[in-house]
Amino acid sequence: DAKTTQPPSMDCAEGRAANLPCNHSTISGNEYVYWYRQIHSQGPQYIIHGLKNNETNEMASLIITEDRKSSTLILPHATLRDTAVYYCIVAGGGADGLTFGKGTHLIIQP
Amino acid sequence: SAVISQKPSRDICQRGTSLTIQCQVDSQVTMMFWYRQQPGQSLTLIATANQGSEATYESGFVIDKFPISRPNLTFSTLTVSNMSPEDSSIYLCSTSRGVNTEAFFGQGTRLTVV
Repeated sequence: DAKTTQPPSMDCAEGRAANLPCNHSTISGNEYVYWYRQIHSQGPQYIIHGLKNNETNEMASLIITEDRKSSTLILPHATLRDTAVYYCIVAGGGADGLTFGKGTHLIIQP
Repeated sequence: SAVISQKPSRDICQRGTSLTIQCQVDSQVTMMFWYRQQPGQSLTLIATANQGSEATYESGFVIDKFPISRPNLTFSTLTVSNMSPEDSSIYLCSTSRGVNTEAFFGQGTRLTVV
């Protein structure tokens, strides 16, 4: 079973920030939080990952709570092309495959 | 990043036949993974393929049904054997550069069994 809980769907207006929550209350000390997204009919695309500090890259920001039991992915200026299923995944190390939950279907509204 | 090419991108197959899916990575990688995505569902890990050793299968997946080859550090194949309509899915291969790094995915092979 997936170690994360996400809302099944969310709407966001184009141009606004999209904030996607994820609960991972059983995360272990050596596990990272990863975010991927899957646009329809494509393979998953890596977005960002972090251990305990907040992270930012050209795509998004990742905010991890101090107790590491939850996190939020922020897309600062959502566009229609950001419509996708977003997966929050907890994983430790690169030796194992990923366990995908059901993800959040983010719909950006014009 | 790693570029992953999968062939074929899609196929329609008769039940009882087998299909081999190829996965080519643009650089040498240690670990390669195969996933299945059934219609409307999330991805499920089938197996991990290491070069020079037998693949490690997840619960619910067996080698007789999904034989995997890993002849070198840039290539792997997944065969879906004795297909039935229930095998209709998207099959994806994936890799990563190493520990605590991001994974990269191919575009997937959309398989329809009739």
